[in-house]
Amino acid sequence: AQRVTQPEKLLSVFKGAPVELKCNYSYSGSPELFWYVQYSRQRLQLLLRHISRESIKGFTADLNKGETSFHLKKPFAQEEDSAMYYCALYYGQNFVFGPGTRLSVLP
Amino acid sequence: DAGITQSPRYKITETGRQVTLMCHQTWSHSYMFWYRQDLGHGLRLIYYSAAADITDKGEVPDGYVVSRSKTENFPLTLESATRSQTSVYFCASSVSFTSTEQFFGPGTRLTVL
Repeated sequence: AQRVTQPEKLLSVFKGAPVELKCNYSYSGSPELFWYVQYSRQRLQLLLRHISRESIKGFTADLNKGETSFHLKKPFAQEEDSAMYYCALYYGQNFVFGPGTRLSVLP
Repeated sequence: DAGITQSPRYKITETGRQVTLMCHQTWSHSYMFWYRQDLGHGLRLIYYSAAADITDKGEVPDGYVVSRSKTENFPLTLESATRSQTSVYFCASSVSFTSTEQFFGPGTRLTVL
């Protein structure tokens, strides 16, 4: 079965510190990977996708096929980054989401 | 921004009852999706639809039925609710299945007693 794992349920960092949210996937083909975010009392929304190679709100994510990872990084965390983050994998005709990591940025 | 709405937002029902969760989108997106969210599992795809009258199973379709008679609506029915179907259900829509953003509804919290 295709799986997406996010090993940390909760990640707490101080404002201004670097943050890395881990995502690993298992898929033998060419993956399409996404990061979705859910801020408090808001809907789940797309943060970024690997094919776009974009930086959104200071976040970047690089696909590492050798390590089957798609970690989300930001050099300087802000308090408004506090949210639930979900890594997602598209394959065939299915989307698989990871269990999510709650990021808490402390003042 | 009411592009995609779900109703009801909260529902309590009993084992064995039929329950229908509604999803409506105003963007004329071709694709619509139903997910369930459970602690420790993230979101799991139940069913999706590529267009009106075209539906297909996702990862966890058992116990659910969908229909799509109109592009804008994608109801999800639990024909005989079970306690294991207690969950938060999210509807989403997108222009296509892959490489594009899915827009999510606010969710429906369903409790089966």
